[in-house]
Amino acid sequence: NAGVTQTPKFQVLKTGQSMTLQCAQDMNHNSMYWYRQDPGMGLRLIYYSASEGTTDKGEVPNGYNVSRLNKREFSLRLESAAPSQTSVYFCASNKYPKESSGNTIYFGEGSWLTVV
Amino acid sequence: KNQVEQSPQSLIILEGKNCTLQCNYTVSPFSNLRWYKQDTGRGPVSLTIMTFSENTKSNGRYTATLDADTKQSSLHITASQLSDSASYICVVSATAGNMLTFGGGTRLMVKP
Repeated sequence: NAGVTQTPKFQVLKTGQSMTLQCAQDMNHNSMYWYRQDPGMGLRLIYYSASEGTTDKGEVPNGYNVSRLNKREFSLRLESAAPSQTSVYFCASNKYPKESSGNTIYFGEGSWLTVV
Repeated sequence: KNQVEQSPQSLIILEGKNCTLQCNYTVSPFSNLRWYKQDTGRGPVSLTIMTFSENTKSNGRYTATLDADTKQSSLHITASQLSDSASYICVVSATAGNMLTFGGGTRLMVKP
C-alpha cells in the first residue's frame, strides 16, 4: 500500500518550458488535491478534484492546469513555467468529497520544482 | 479573511523535555482543526483531527487541545525524542466551502 505517489521528486525547468507532475493514490479515495508550499507560508491549494471527472480551482490556480485521468490519478501541468512557480508541490487525497470534512487527508512526498 | 497563526516560528528543546506549540485561528464558521507533522523533505502526516465539540485529543506523546470560544489550539509534546524534530502545521477548515487554511508551521528541533 503505497498511499499517495507523486513524480518526479525533483525537476529543474527553464522559463517557458512545460511539464506535468503526476500523482496517483491507491486508497480508493474520491478527492484529490494539488498544493504548493513556499518558505514561511502555509500550504496553498492550487486545484482539487472532488470526484472522478470534476476539477475546481483553489486559492492559487493561475498558471496551472489539472486532469483527473481516472479515480487513481490526478496530474498538474505547468504550460509555460515561470520563476514564481519555483516551489514544493504536494499531491493529497481523502475519502470524501469535501476537504473540510473531518476525514484524514494523506499527502505525497512532494515534488521540488525549480524554474530558472 | 480566514487566517491561522502559529507560534513560535521555531523552537529548540533538549531531548526528554516537554513543549507546547500554539495555534490561533480566525476561520469561521469552524468545522475542524488538524495538526500535521512534516519531516524535512517529506509530506505532512496527520497527528490529530478535532471537531467543535472536542476539547482534547491524544496520539501517543502528542496531545492537542482546542478552545473554540477563544479560537485557540495547542499541541503538547511529552518527553520529546530526536525523531520529534520536524515542522508542525495547524490546519483549520470551515463548514462552508472546500478549502482548508494552513498555518505557516512551527519548526521544532530536539537536541540530545
